[in-house]
Amino acid sequence: DIVMTQSPDSLAVSLGERATIRCRSSQSVLYSSNNKNYLSWYQQRPGQPPKLLIYWASTRESGVPDRFSGSGSGTDFTLTISGLQAEDVAVYFCQHSYGTPRTFGQGTVVEIK
Amino acid sequence: QVQLQESGPGLVKPSGTLSLTCALFGGPISSSCWWTWVRQPPGKGLEWIGEAYDSGRTNYNPSLKSRVTISVDKSRNQFSLRLRSVTAADTAVYYCARGRDWGYDDVRLDYWGQGILVTVSS
Repeated sequence: DIVMTQSPDSLAVSLGERATIRCRSSQSVLYSSNNKNYLSWYQQRPGQPPKLLIYWASTRESGVPDRFSGSGSGTDFTLTISGLQAEDVAVYFCQHSYGTPRTFGQGTVVEIK
Repeated sequence: QVQLQESGPGLVKPSGTLSLTCALFGGPISSSCWWTWVRQPPGKGLEWIGEAYDSGRTNYNPSLKSRVTISVDKSRNQFSLRLRSVTAADTAVYYCARGRDWGYDDVRLDYWGQGILVTVSS
């Protein structure tokens, strides 16, 4: 199984500042046939189900604000929130879909400082 | 607008079977989608349980594979989860989700239900 490890477990950021979350996979999730990284990011606000933010490591889902961006390839990935807003307080999860089980990272809690 | 809604008992006895259903609204259960179950113990992270295609193909988390069955009922536009021999460790919020397959097994969970809390207790 591919193990997904996120860091940090939690972070506190001032409103308007940048939040950076990292996700590492235990093996590459780059699919050679289409050169896509099968890595997605989800946001889970308190009391809500997860919401897809980013797929292919860097492509925003429709309707997701452009302050959310993803980067990385292979085994190392980053989610950046540029200009943190109050509504961004949530837990963020990465997930791979390079085969099954399609495991999630343990989650990163983002709070307001 | 696609919507998913979980239903089932909120309390299951230890050693019993957890049975949940996810109803799909706003479109038919179709090919090109893996119908997925994910769970989240209180205060913890997400665990991928498994998925089913409308053809009957399934994939399960090896950690649960011996106890889990996911099935699709196209006639009722719903899919189901059965988890046998439950213990307190299976207490969690259970989510159903649509895993759209964009080809080359590129699957992402683009629609989720609100989740249902299932407690295992006598």
